[in-house]
Amino acid sequence: GQQVMQIPQYQHVQEGEDFTTYCNSSTTLSNIQWYKQRPGGHPVFLIQLVKSGEVKKQKRLTFQFGEAKKNSSLHITATQTTDVGTYFCDGGSQGNLIFGKGTKLSVKP
Amino acid sequence: IAGITQAPTSQILAAGRRMTLRCTQDMRHNAMYWYRQDLGLGLRLIHYSNTAGTTGKGEVPDGYSVSRANTDDFPLTLASAVPSQTSVYFCASREQGARNSPLHFGNGTRLTVT
Repeated sequence: GQQVMQIPQYQHVQEGEDFTTYCNSSTTLSNIQWYKQRPGGHPVFLIQLVKSGEVKKQKRLTFQFGEAKKNSSLHITATQTTDVGTYFCDGGSQGNLIFGKGTKLSVKP
Repeated sequence: IAGITQAPTSQILAAGRRMTLRCTQDMRHNAMYWYRQDLGLGLRLIHYSNTAGTTGKGEVPDGYSVSRANTDDFPLTLASAVPSQTSVYFCASREQGARNSPLHFGNGTRLTVT
C-alpha cells in the first residue's frame, strides 16, 4: 500500500543551526501538506504544495516539492527555541490522507 | 470561535469499560477523521467520514466504532477498552470535495486504559 516515510525521526540542534526534514512517498502524490505540533498540542497546518518542483517560503521555513511529486522537504534556517515540536507531512493520493511519522525537533539554547 | 471541540480532555478508564469520545465541529466541514497518536508511530487513522451518514475504516479500526448522524458530530466509541488503546486521540475535519484543503484538529483526548 501507499506509504509516506519521514526522516529523520528525531533531530537535536543547537539554536542557530539549520534543520531539514524529508518526506518520501512510494507513489506519486497529488499534493503534500506540512503540519507542526508543539509539545502537548495538536497538529497545526503550515503549508500545502501542489505543483511539481514547487518551492514556498514562510519566513525562515522553506518547503519544497520534488519534480516527480514523490518527495518533499522542510528546511528551517537558523533554528530558534520556538521551532521546537514535531513536524509532520501528509501526502494525498486519490483523496487518501497518509501521514508520515513525523520528525521531532529539539533546540538547545 | 469556530473550530473542533473534543471531550473529555483526558480520561482514565478501566479495561472492559465502554467509552465514547466526543467530537463536534462548527465549520460545516463534510469530512471528519479520528486519529490516534502514539510515541514513535505518528498519527494513525482509525475511522473517517466523508459526509453525514457515511463512515469508513482507516489504518487501525479494530476495537473502535464511529457514527455520523449529522454534519457536526463524529463520536468515537470503544466498546470494551483494552490497555493497548491507551493513546492520545485527535479528531480532525476538512472541507470535503476540496481534496487539497488542510485538516483542522481538535485539542485531543488523552485516554489511559488500566
